[in-house]
Amino acid sequence: DTEVTQTPKHLVMGMTNKKSLKCEQHMGHRAMYWYKQKAKKPPELMFVYSYEKLSINESVPSRFSPECPNSSLLNLHLHALQPEDSALYLCASSQGGAREKLFFGSGTQLSVL
Amino acid sequence: DAKTTQPNSMESNEEEPVHLPCNHSTISGTDYIHWYRQLPSQGPEYVIHGLTSNVNNRMASLAIAEDRKSSTLILHRATLRDAAVYYCILRDVAGGYNKLIFGAGTRLAVHP
Repeated sequence: DTEVTQTPKHLVMGMTNKKSLKCEQHMGHRAMYWYKQKAKKPPELMFVYSYEKLSINESVPSRFSPECPNSSLLNLHLHALQPEDSALYLCASSQGGAREKLFFGSGTQLSVL
Repeated sequence: DAKTTQPNSMESNEEEPVHLPCNHSTISGTDYIHWYRQLPSQGPEYVIHGLTSNVNNRMASLAIAEDRKSSTLILHRATLRDAAVYYCILRDVAGGYNKLIFGAGTRLAVHP
């Protein structure tokens, strides 16, 4: 199984809502990542978890709250988002070293109204 | 992270070879050169990576200049499915080893 599964595939939420994005992998990978991608732009790194601990936060606003409950799961909790947060949110996983390749999910397309 | 420079877009015909260039003049000795691609409506996927020597796999070949300041991704026979954005990325094995930072990439169009 070389898949990274993201749910939901599409999400529409209001600015006062609280929602969560979910990411799952069963490859035994120890590093997991959240990226944000606006249309026609490259993915931007948001967070990196290594061995279930947050190791990198790329100065992401606190309305985005990541969580890694176990080595297979990664969540992104969303609260009080703005319309400009509408984007494709991508999850990825890897073994962790710089030589190791990342496996990406297909993403969650988020629209904030 | 060291910076890479790629052309914004390239075009190819089906079944012809494609050479996608990448300049990385500030590359350090511990930087690996990675290539990913992103097909429409999908997440990025790994293509190939290398350090100093040329590399081949089932998807592509990677040619690395002797001074490592540039590299070329080679698709030997382009298919319509190869139409994607191709990203050349440097990953430092010594530093923040978990970061994969994307540049603007090259959008490849493949014509029948």
